[in-house]
Amino acid sequence: DAKTTQPPSMDCAEGRAANLPCNHSTISGNEYVYWYRQIHSQGPQYIIHGLKNNETNEMASLIITEDRKSSTLILPHATLRDTAVYYCIVSMAQGGSEKLVFGKGTKLTVNP
Amino acid sequence: NAGVTQTPKFQVLKTGQSMTLQCAQDMNHNSMYWYRQDPGMGLRLIYYSASEGTTDKGEVPNGYNVSRLNKREFSLRLESAAPSQTSVYFCASTVWTGTDTQYFGPGTRLTVL
Repeated sequence: DAKTTQPPSMDCAEGRAANLPCNHSTISGNEYVYWYRQIHSQGPQYIIHGLKNNETNEMASLIITEDRKSSTLILPHATLRDTAVYYCIVSMAQGGSEKLVFGKGTKLTVNP
Repeated sequence: NAGVTQTPKFQVLKTGQSMTLQCAQDMNHNSMYWYRQDPGMGLRLIYYSASEGTTDKGEVPNGYNVSRLNKREFSLRLESAAPSQTSVYFCASTVWTGTDTQYFGPGTRLTVL
């Protein structure tokens, strides 16, 4: 079973920030938080990951609470092409043998 | 650099037929994975290969076999296809580092009649 809880769906206006929440209250100290997204019918795409500190890359920002029991993925200026299912996953960094448990994710719809 | 490629893109089989799904990566990754995704569901791991020469069962291995042909290629075989195996199959690979950033292929859409 997935170790994370996400809302099933969210809407966002084009050009606005999209804030996608994720609860992972049972996360252990050596588990990372990963975010992937899946645009309709395509393979999942890696977005960002983090352990404790907030992270930012060219796609998004990841904010992890101090107790690490929840996190938020932020798409700063959502576009129509960001419409996708977003998966929040917790996983130990074991270098290849650890499976990723994909739950049902959050269906983000960006509206014009 | 093509990343992860999968063939075929689409396939229709009759119950009892066999087939092999092919996956190749050109990123020099050590680990490779096969997932299936049923409508409205998340991905479920079928088999994985942590490194060349090794394979291990994932969450839903029954009815499938795999072969890690070399470092680049990881194939998934259905010996006797069943309608329950109708799904989209994704292959993925991972850089051999301390993180699990997986790169996915475009998927194979399989229908078993």
